[in-house]
Amino acid sequence: KNQVEQSPQSLIILEGKNCTLQCNYTVSPFSNLRWYKQDTGRGPVSLTIMTFSENTKSNGRYTATLDADTKQSSLHITASQLSDSASYICVVSASDQAGTALIFGKGTTLSVSS
Amino acid sequence: DVKVTQSSRYLVKRTGEKVFLECVQDMDHENMFWYRQDPGLGLRLIYFSYDVKMKEKGDIPEGYSVSREKKERFSLILESASTNQTSMYLCASIVTGQGGEAFFGQGTRLTVV
Repeated sequence: KNQVEQSPQSLIILEGKNCTLQCNYTVSPFSNLRWYKQDTGRGPVSLTIMTFSENTKSNGRYTATLDADTKQSSLHITASQLSDSASYICVVSASDQAGTALIFGKGTTLSVSS
Repeated sequence: DVKVTQSSRYLVKRTGEKVFLECVQDMDHENMFWYRQDPGLGLRLIYFSYDVKMKEKGDIPEGYSVSREKKERFSLILESASTNQTSMYLCASIVTGQGGEAFFGQGTRLTVV
């Protein structure tokens, strides 16, 4: 069964600190992995996309990694800001001739405090 | 920029009412999806559509139906609202190719009393 597991479920950090969110997946056939940020009361917005051949990708203070062998991804946030408080959702795309399916993790809720 | 618009941000309905949630996208995407999001459960797929007048059940279709009469509009219908359908509902429009990025609406928080 295709599954995406995220950890931790929630996280509280002080402003300016770094943090790392984890995503483990068992999805086949793997197409790509995206990290989404969801602010409270809003729809999720894509932060990064990782394909099979990519190991690391940065988007400002956000850096995503992918290890396709171990089927793990991480999202590292550097020098956190209050505006980083949100839910972060890992989504793995599985594509075959029948179409594309998106498998969602349950998300990590990050709270950044001053 | 892709825009996905849901007709309401907040709705309060009574048990037994028929409820319509509307979603419109402006980028000519073929694929549209309806999810509900609940604490601790994440996003769960209710229905999706790959084309006009086409619909497929997702993981939790019971108590819901959908309508896609035009490519840009995908409606979710609660035939007889129940309290366990109180949730955040998210519509998404998804690009095939370009890595399958999902563009979400702002969400509709539905409360059934």
